Amino acid sequence: EAGVTQFPSHSVIEKGQTVTLRCDPISGHDNLYWYRRVMGKEIKFLLHFVKESKQDESGMPNNRFLAERTGGTYSTLKVQPAELEDSGVYFCASSLAGTGAGYGYTFGSGTRLTVV
Amino acid sequence: AQSVTQLGSHVSVSEGALVLLRCNYSSSVPPYLFWYVQYPNQGLQLLLKYTSAATLVKGINGFEAEFKKSETSFHLTKPSAHMSDAAEYFCAVSRTGGGNKLTFGTGTQLKVEL
Repeated sequence: EAGVTQFPSHSVIEKGQTVTLRCDPISGHDNLYWYRRVMGKEIKFLLHFVKESKQDESGMPNNRFLAERTGGTYSTLKVQPAELEDSGVYFCASSLAGTGAGYGYTFGSGTRLTVV
Repeated sequence: AQSVTQLGSHVSVSEGALVLLRCNYSSSVPPYLFWYVQYPNQGLQLLLKYTSAATLVKGINGFEAEFKKSETSFHLTKPSAHMSDAAEYFCAVSRTGGGNKLTFGTGTQLKVEL
């Protein structure tokens, strides 16, 4: 089966611009998660979708970040306007309905975002 | 609240030597514990997980970890390092039952030298 796909793999944008990251989960996975790793720090949870609904968005840093999951399939994470501190690697993961971390997610390769 | 501490951001071993990557956790409830690995230009891959069954957990590529509640530790070991083990390793914790968030440590970069 195809894995979790993220694109772009890299993005370099100027401060103040908008960037949209996309994640395609494994087909049939109802759970979709976004995580972020800022340079040199730990990977941090951003939010969790169950199908198209936001189950937990407690990790979203501020209102410049908007996540959507139209139709419960792919998800986008928009940063508008981007700031320097938004630079990092954004990971997406998915899992089957009714499962979670205890079963092990499948992670994508991540999008490396650089804001200059 | 849960947290994970990984001791040593960089660890270097010789090929064939023992690999020991340290992880200590803090959790107010019984935890699930995980080790993930990230090879260059790849995503995070699950190495092994502890989900309240056997305390000694065996994973892929010859790695294993032991859950020690008294020491709040979940150290990762491999008897003999191989060059292909060079990667970044992350320890993570989550709550049991519901609650799907992973809380990660800051990662340990493993270097394997000839």
